[in-house]
Amino acid sequence: GAVVSQHPSRVICKSGTSVKIECRSLDFQATTMFWYRQFPKQSLMLMATSNEGSKATYEQGVEKDKFLINHASLTLSTLTVTSAHPEDSSFYICSANIPGGTEAFFGQGTRLTVV
Amino acid sequence: DAKTTQPPSMDCAEGRAANLPCNHSTISGNEYVYWYRQIHSQGPQYIIHGLKNNETNEMASLIITEDRKSSTLILPHATLRDTAVYYCIVRVSSGGSNYKLTFGKGTLLTVNP
Repeated sequence: GAVVSQHPSRVICKSGTSVKIECRSLDFQATTMFWYRQFPKQSLMLMATSNEGSKATYEQGVEKDKFLINHASLTLSTLTVTSAHPEDSSFYICSANIPGGTEAFFGQGTRLTVV
Repeated sequence: DAKTTQPPSMDCAEGRAANLPCNHSTISGNEYVYWYRQIHSQGPQYIIHGLKNNETNEMASLIITEDRKSSTLILPHATLRDTAVYYCIVRVSSGGSNYKLTFGKGTLLTVNP
């Protein structure tokens, strides 16, 4: 099946620094990718929709200046957590769909810990 | 997208069938029923989806009631590796931003040896 890959799988950063997470579609092109966040013992919450060649669409309550999304190519979307704080510590997951396909493919997730 | 209701947890013995229910009484005629699962500390994995007919693939079977207000995911021979949170999601199956998924709390299925 289609593969979506995230990097890194785990990252620890100091408070106040920025962290970039990459999401790649390995064997298909994705004009739209999605970024989710999952806190411990909670469900996935959609943060934003990443659109290739245009601005991302953010869900209500998600700060676009804090969570920068760039979708510069049809196979890569990046999420940058700027000025990270301990409360940003979470599991970040991306997904993408094969154009014309019906199911979403998810990355393996990135565990961010801000200390 | 229509809301879904699932039991928070279920247990199943290894080798037995696991039947996971989902209620979606407000489902619209053009909405599909999707099932995903999430093994601990991993991204969700697609299992199966259907519109109104029952569906089967190598992972599971999906039984949708005639009125489409509920469905059941069946894992015919559960293994320990099937322990995961199972999410039932209803959504329109089309492109662009409609691919985004709204996750509920799901059902934690624990398969016991």
